[in-house]
Amino acid sequence: EIVLTQSPGTLSLSPGERATLSCRASQSVSSSFLAWYQLKPGQAPRLLIYGASTRATGIPDRFSGSGSGTDFSLTISRLEPEDFAVFYCQLYGISLLTFGGGTKVEIK
Amino acid sequence: QVKLQESGPRLVKPSQTLSLICTVSGGSLSSDSHYWVWIRQPAGEGLEWIGRFSTSGITKYNSSLTSRVTMSVDTSKNQFSLTLTSMTAADTGLYYCARGNFGNLFDLWGQGTPVTVSS
Repeated sequence: EIVLTQSPGTLSLSPGERATLSCRASQSVSSSFLAWYQLKPGQAPRLLIYGASTRATGIPDRFSGSGSGTDFSLTISRLEPEDFAVFYCQLYGISLLTFGGGTKVEIK
Repeated sequence: QVKLQESGPRLVKPSQTLSLICTVSGGSLSSDSHYWVWIRQPAGEGLEWIGRFSTSGITKYNSSLTSRVTMSVDTSKNQFSLTLTSMTAADTGLYYCARGNFGNLFDLWGQGTPVTVSS
């Protein structure tokens, strides 16, 4: 079973700063099947990125995903107040389904 | 615009059965292109996939929960449901319904419903 490890656990930043979140797989995976989600209290979770780097419908371009092999990242170029949340990476596929442990991005 | 909304009890006693409903609005549950899934976030933990089904009858559950889980659908009401038996404190958390494709990518979620297991 492939394990996804997200780091850091918590990222304390100010609005306007750049956030870089990491997701590391325990073995090499196809970048075609790596997604990122944003979870905020009281709101429906939102698919941000799929295929490692493709933004989902309606996602602002300050969100970007990259990576391949075992190392993937989600970057928020300039944090807006509404971006503070918990982010999960996910490996998906016909017979694959693994979530990372999450990274909380909190206001410093 | 398709929306999902979970409903059900917020408090369940230990050993009892949890029953949750997800209502789909703005679209049909009878899609050949999607699975309908339940995902939970146990208190203080990350996301855990509970199971999925399609209206064509394909069902699959998380192997760690399969003895306790049942999912069903009522297409006339555009609702699907989750039943989880023998609830314990470890089942406390936030329960989400979601829509997924056949590759397990979840593009639409409900806002989640909190469930606490306590006597």
